[in-house]
Amino acid sequence: EAGVTQSPTHLIKTRGQQATLRCSPISGHTSVYWYQQALGLGLQFLLWYDEGEERNRGNFPPRFSGRQFPNYSSELNVNALELEDSALYLCASSLIRGSNEQFFGPGTRLTVL
Amino acid sequence: AQTVTQSQPEMSVQEAETVTLSCTYDTSESDYYLFWYKQPPSRQMILVIRQEAYKQQNATENRFSVNFQKAAKSFSLKISDSQLGDAAMYFCAYRQNYGGATNKLIFGTGTLLAVQP
Repeated sequence: EAGVTQSPTHLIKTRGQQATLRCSPISGHTSVYWYQQALGLGLQFLLWYDEGEERNRGNFPPRFSGRQFPNYSSELNVNALELEDSALYLCASSLIRGSNEQFFGPGTRLTVL
Repeated sequence: AQTVTQSQPEMSVQEAETVTLSCTYDTSESDYYLFWYKQPPSRQMILVIRQEAYKQQNATENRFSVNFQKAAKSFSLKISDSQLGDAAMYFCAYRQNYGGATNKLIFGTGTLLAVQP
């Protein structure tokens, strides 16, 4: 069974640009979560999507947004990039009912110059 | 708001020895889950062990076991017979039981475990 996949592995952008990060959940999983792992700040919850809808978002500005597609894959968009957006962005997926385990992908390292 | 605290930024253990990583949390909920995740240098987060709050019995997975003290809001991880492959960042995490408005994991700041040969 394929795990959670994320692309790209690394992404380098300059301040003010937009970044798009992608995530494919484990087959059969309908929930996708995004977390930011910034140096010194730990892992912070960003967004939760289930069945194509945003269910919950963390304490992040509106320039962090995303969507979930009919095949349950997800996209995270970060607009007007700032230097402090540099971080590892982790995607996780789970079954919304049943297992409570979130399975994580390898992450996308976003560097903002 | 729920919080998770890991007071040991770094720990070290000799190969084959036992080490305990500490975690405390704060919540007013009675129904929740606690997790320990491992993040090796390759950075893919892996679930180590899970504890349901309503279960009094401590969870065990091979060499990994927890000491869950609900009243004290403490959830420590014991690694027995430590192996070089156990070297990683360990995160303690909390999740409210589904039925609330959120399904998110709340993480502690992590403990970096080094295993000495």
